[in-house]
Amino acid sequence: GQNIDQPTEMTATEGAIVQINCTYQTSGFNGLFWYQQHAGEAPTFLSYNVLDGLEEKGRFSSFLSRSKGYSYLLLKELQMKDSASYLCAGMDSNYQLIWGAGTKLIIKP
Amino acid sequence: ETGVTQTPRHLVMGMTNKKSLKCEQHLGHNAMYWYKQSAKKPLELMFVYNFKEQTENNSVPSRFSPECPNSSHLFLHLHTLQPEDSALYLCASSQALAGGPDTQYFGPGTRLTVL
Repeated sequence: GQNIDQPTEMTATEGAIVQINCTYQTSGFNGLFWYQQHAGEAPTFLSYNVLDGLEEKGRFSSFLSRSKGYSYLLLKELQMKDSASYLCAGMDSNYQLIWGAGTKLIIKP
Repeated sequence: ETGVTQTPRHLVMGMTNKKSLKCEQHLGHNAMYWYKQSAKKPLELMFVYNFKEQTENNSVPSRFSPECPNSSHLFLHLHTLQPEDSALYLCASSQALAGGPDTQYFGPGTRLTVL
């Protein structure tokens, strides 16, 4: 079956670095997406990885290892506004997204 | 971000009511999606429309009825719902690139409560 696993909740301190892990099992693979969702708001697109390696976008970076079925989202210089849920989704061979349940990130001062 | 809008934002309805959710996208996309989001669960894909044609119906009960009159508008008609249907209903759109990965852009959702 197809499955995405990510931690339910994480806590970090303002100004620190946090890494949110995601493991995936999909029928075929056409890339891995990360979305951010603030409470009561729309999920917003953060990143897409289809090749192995690290992609950096400002304070946010996303990593993919296809051989390990593993990805992570790295958030640096954490700010209070980064408190949100982070959704990991793998795209299968039919270009359909398989979603994780999301990781709620709590930032403390 | 006003690329994808949804109305109403909140809806409370009884089990015998009929209501409709509306979604509109201003991004020039050709694919639109309905998702159900329940607390601490993965997003559940309900329906997909590509170029106004329904291409996915993930075993959704018939009490949910989608309608896509054009590429910019999507409706979800609701009737005789159950309390377990209470959830956040999200609409999304994408370009619908043929044979390629596609980034989906979401609306803010309708928070539905069924009494």
